[in-house]
Amino acid sequence: DIQMTQSPSSLSASVGDRVTITCRASQSISTYLNWYQQKPGRAPKLLIYAASSLQSGVPSRFSGSGSGTDFTLTISSLQPEDFAIYYCQQSYSNRYSFGQGTKLEIK
Amino acid sequence: QVQLQESGPGLVKPSGTLSLTCAVSGGSISSSNWWSWVRQPPGKGLEWIGEIYRSGSTNYNPSLKSRLTMSVDESENQFSLNLRSVTAADTAVYYCGRRCTSTTCPTYTFDIWGHGTMVTVSS
Repeated sequence: DIQMTQSPSSLSASVGDRVTITCRASQSISTYLNWYQQKPGRAPKLLIYAASSLQSGVPSRFSGSGSGTDFTLTISSLQPEDFAIYYCQQSYSNRYSFGQGTKLEIK
Repeated sequence: QVQLQESGPGLVKPSGTLSLTCAVSGGSISSSNWWSWVRQPPGKGLEWIGEIYRSGSTNYNPSLKSRLTMSVDESENQFSLNLRSVTAADTAVYYCGRRCTSTTCPTYTFDIWGHGTMVTVSS
């Protein structure tokens, strides 16, 4: 099975900061990598698909990059509504797996 | 737009069977997409459980496969999950979701999710 590892596990930042979250796959997954945002008590929400494509309706301050085994999610200027947990997920293998999550907290 | 809604008992006894249904509205379950279940234990991350296609073809997480059955009911536009021999470790919020494999949505993503339903395994 493909293991997805995110870093950091938690992150404190301020409104207006630029933030980067990293996701590493245990084997190459090309660009079959998606990012989700989850707020307390809510279902995950798709942000980025195919490593770098922005889902419709998602603000342009979110961006994704990477291929192979190393990927990043960047938020260019944090807004109050961005404080949440972020998950990466691979769709290369049909044993879909998620990273353990990165909790983004207000500093 | 497509919406999903989970339903089922919120409490299941140990060694019993957890049964959930996901109703699809605003679209057809017979579309060219797979229909999935994902769970999240309290305070923990997301675990993919399995998925089913309109034809009844399934794809299960190997760690759950021996206890898992999924089915689809095209006439009712819904799909279901049965997880047997449950223990406290199966306590979680269970989400149903659409895994997009058609050309009308972001392919290979879980792009639509239900609100989730909490299932507790306890006597």
